[in-house]
Amino acid sequence: GENVEQHPSTLSVQEGDSAVIKCTYSDSASNYFPWYKQELGKGPQLIIDIRSNVGEKKDQRIAVTLNKTAKHFSLHITETQPEDSAVYFCAPTDSWGKLQFGAGTQVVVTP
Amino acid sequence: DAGITQSPRHKVTETGTPVTLRCHQTENHRYMYWYRQDPGHGLRLIHYSYGVKDTDKGEVSDGYSVSRSKTEDFLLTLESATSSQTSVYFCAISESNRGEGYTFGSGTRLTVV
Repeated sequence: GENVEQHPSTLSVQEGDSAVIKCTYSDSASNYFPWYKQELGKGPQLIIDIRSNVGEKKDQRIAVTLNKTAKHFSLHITETQPEDSAVYFCAPTDSWGKLQFGAGTQVVVTP
Repeated sequence: DAGITQSPRHKVTETGTPVTLRCHQTENHRYMYWYRQDPGHGLRLIHYSYGVKDTDKGEVSDGYSVSRSKTEDFLLTLESATSSQTSVYFCAISESNRGEGYTFGSGTRLTVV
């Protein structure tokens, strides 16, 4: 959406390194912050999410951190593997509970 | 994707012709959505439904209409296709209207020539 910015737009990392993607939003009513992964030829798939009453959530090699005061949240991928290569989208909700998608980040993990 | 299918997967049509895309779910979810995906824009909401015969507009609804006559099917119609409607269209379903639990279909690639 217009009120969601995602950086960087492309990210190339060496296998085993970490990757971080940042999402900035403007709607102070946002209260749900998911990250989606989209592989070539497929629809987006939810990989991790966080609600506004939690600052950080971790699931194996991926984590999401939220700074509601600054209105941004980030996706962290550790020990990257070739299968992590995909496009990643943040999609904070608007005041009506609808997802607002960022423009996406193309992540390339090189062996 | 399990429980949600889109048809057709690919379609080429001529400018000015009507086109209907279909989304079918077997999950009995109340909420259904149509998005379009274009480079540099992520996914943008076209229309959504919160029940049978209950629909509303999203941020890019001009030139599109929808219908939901039964829980499992949500149809997207381009009344008179234009080249600007060339895109990949995704359907999504959810049980909640709070943003959680979206499941997306595999998409329909539509080309308007």
